[in-house]
Amino acid sequence: ELKVEQNPLFLSMQEGKNYTIYCNYSTTSDRLYWYRQDPGKSLESLFVLLSNGAVKQEGRLMASLDTKARLSTLHITAAVHDLSATYFCAVDERYQLIWGAGTKLIIKP
Amino acid sequence: GAGVSQTPSNKVTEKGKYVELRCDPISGHTALYWYRQSLGQGPEFLIYFQGTGAADDSGLPNDRFFAVRPEGSVSTLKIQRTERGDSAVYLCASSWHGGAEQYFGPGTRLTVT
Repeated sequence: ELKVEQNPLFLSMQEGKNYTIYCNYSTTSDRLYWYRQDPGKSLESLFVLLSNGAVKQEGRLMASLDTKARLSTLHITAAVHDLSATYFCAVDERYQLIWGAGTKLIIKP
Repeated sequence: GAGVSQTPSNKVTEKGKYVELRCDPISGHTALYWYRQSLGQGPEFLIYFQGTGAADDSGLPNDRFFAVRPEGSVSTLKIQRTERGDSAVYLCASSWHGGAEQYFGPGTRLTVT
């Protein structure tokens, strides 16, 4: 059974701190996505990682992919309140996305 | 340009009724996907269309669920004899082709009473 596991599932942190969300998966796929979801809203694409060693950065967020370890990380640098949301990783398996349970991130001023 | 749109945004129905949920993909996108998201969980794949045909319907939970895309654009997800367990947000996504980045619509929140 294909599995995508995120941890932590819940994270409360102070503004200005750094933290990392981890995404482990059991498939051999080399295509992984990170999405953001605000309460009551749909999914916003953040990063598309398409090969081993891929690293992408946008503002205070940086994502990386290690296909050999079947691990992706989403690193948050100097968090700000606006980054509060739920973050999902999803693995492309024959064109369907298999999703993690999401990490609910709360950033306190 | 316009993104993926879904109608209705909310649907409340009684147990046992039939519902239809509509998805308008981004113009030119040949691939269309349906997912279901229950509260506090990640989305769950239901079905993937490439053009007019269902390329992968392995995620449909049972034969009460059916989806069509007759002209390769708009898609309708149909649920017969709804059950309370069908309550969820139904998300539609589209992409240029199968395997490309998927863009999501706002979802339809279905509540079965």
